Amino acid sequence: GNSVTQMEGPVTLSEEAFLTINCTYTATGYPSLFWYVQYPGEGLQLLLKATKADDKGSNKGFEATYRKETTSFHLEKGSVQVSDSAVYFCALDLNTGNQFYFGTGTSLTVIP
Amino acid sequence: NAGVTQTPKFRILKIGQSMTLQCAQDMNHNYMYWYRQDPGMGLKLIYYSVGAGITDKGEVPNGYNVSRSTTEDFPLRLELAAPSQTSVYFCASREGTGVSRKNIQYFGAGTRLSVL
Repeated sequence: GNSVTQMEGPVTLSEEAFLTINCTYTATGYPSLFWYVQYPGEGLQLLLKATKADDKGSNKGFEATYRKETTSFHLEKGSVQVSDSAVYFCALDLNTGNQFYFGTGTSLTVIP
Repeated sequence: NAGVTQTPKFRILKIGQSMTLQCAQDMNHNYMYWYRQDPGMGLKLIYYSVGAGITDKGEVPNGYNVSRSTTEDFPLRLELAAPSQTSVYFCASREGTGVSRKNIQYFGAGTRLSVL
């Protein structure tokens, strides 16, 4: 079946530390892959996306590369800030209109 | 610049009560979705709609109903509230499907519901 497995949290980092949040997926067909971020008290918002193998999505210093050979879409940032504290969700979309699969979310806290 | 608007933000229900969660979007999106988010879990799709007058079940539809009489509005109805429906509910919309920017989902801020 289709699924997303995401690194469990919570994750606590010091400001300027390197961040990696692992995400692997199982999917039929050719999914699009997403990272969404949820700040406290808010809905999810798109952080970045990739639509085909070897695509790299990037936004606000975050990056993730669509790796078909390892079925992964790991999120990275070279230097986190306190304002990056949020919950991060990996998701896949089978591009059919109703088949989305979200990971369980990884809570990140960045301390000064 | 409203995007997706959900009301109410919080609600406490007694077992057996009914309520409607409202969702409206002003982006003229065809696709709308209702999700629930339980602690430590990812989002689960409850119902979705591909356009006015068309709705269909998602992964966890039991205990819920929806309607889509206009492009803008997609209310979610709970008829007989149960403690298992305690959750955070998110509405989302998107323009279309495929690999273009049309497939990006836009989420509302959520409704936190407790059934006691």
